[in-house]
Amino acid sequence: EDKVVQSPLSLVVHEGDTVTLNCSYEVTNFRSLLWYKQEKKAPTFLFMLTSSGIEKKSGRLSSILDKKELSSILNITATQTGDSAIYLCAVEPSRRKAAGNKLTFGGGTRVLVKP
Amino acid sequence: NAGVTQTPKFRVLKTGQSMTLLCAQDMNHEYMYWYRQDPGMGLRLIHYSVGEGTTAKGEVPDGYNVSRLKKQNFLLGLESAAPSQTSVYFCASSYSEWGETQYFGPGTRLLVL
Repeated sequence: EDKVVQSPLSLVVHEGDTVTLNCSYEVTNFRSLLWYKQEKKAPTFLFMLTSSGIEKKSGRLSSILDKKELSSILNITATQTGDSAIYLCAVEPSRRKAAGNKLTFGGGTRVLVKP
Repeated sequence: NAGVTQTPKFRVLKTGQSMTLLCAQDMNHEYMYWYRQDPGMGLRLIHYSVGEGTTAKGEVPDGYNVSRLKKQNFLLGLESAAPSQTSVYFCASSYSEWGETQYFGPGTRLLVL
């Protein structure tokens, strides 16, 4: 059974700080690891990391996949209050015939950025 | 395009009551999913559909039924609600079977007393 564990469960930082979120996983036939940001409602997609794309960066957010350690980190630099959200990590196995993709999500990390 | 919409946004049920949650998408997506989210547990897949007229069980299907009679709609039914079904329910749709193509709806908050 696929499994995803995120740490820490929550953290509080001040604007300008850097945060690092962790995601470790167990998945049969790994295809990708996905990061999402969830504010008040629906999760929104941030990054996808694969065996051929282990680093992604967008503005102040960046993520790295460590295939050997079966883990990933999400970094947010120069945090702003708008970064306050739950950050979700999910893993996806490789293609299964006649089946929709089945994402396994971690429990999320709640980040609160104070002014 | 409205994307993925969910009805209702919030509902309170008594134990034993039934209800149906509606998910609609206007993106002509083949794949649709129902997830539930509980504190500290991320999203867990309840049921999914790979096309009109098809449904399949996900990780936590017990106590739920689904139907996909029309391509744009995916219904989630609770026949006899239980307090353990108190949760936030998210619908998602995708044009491919790959996770990065999933679009999520705004969620339905359900409280079962």
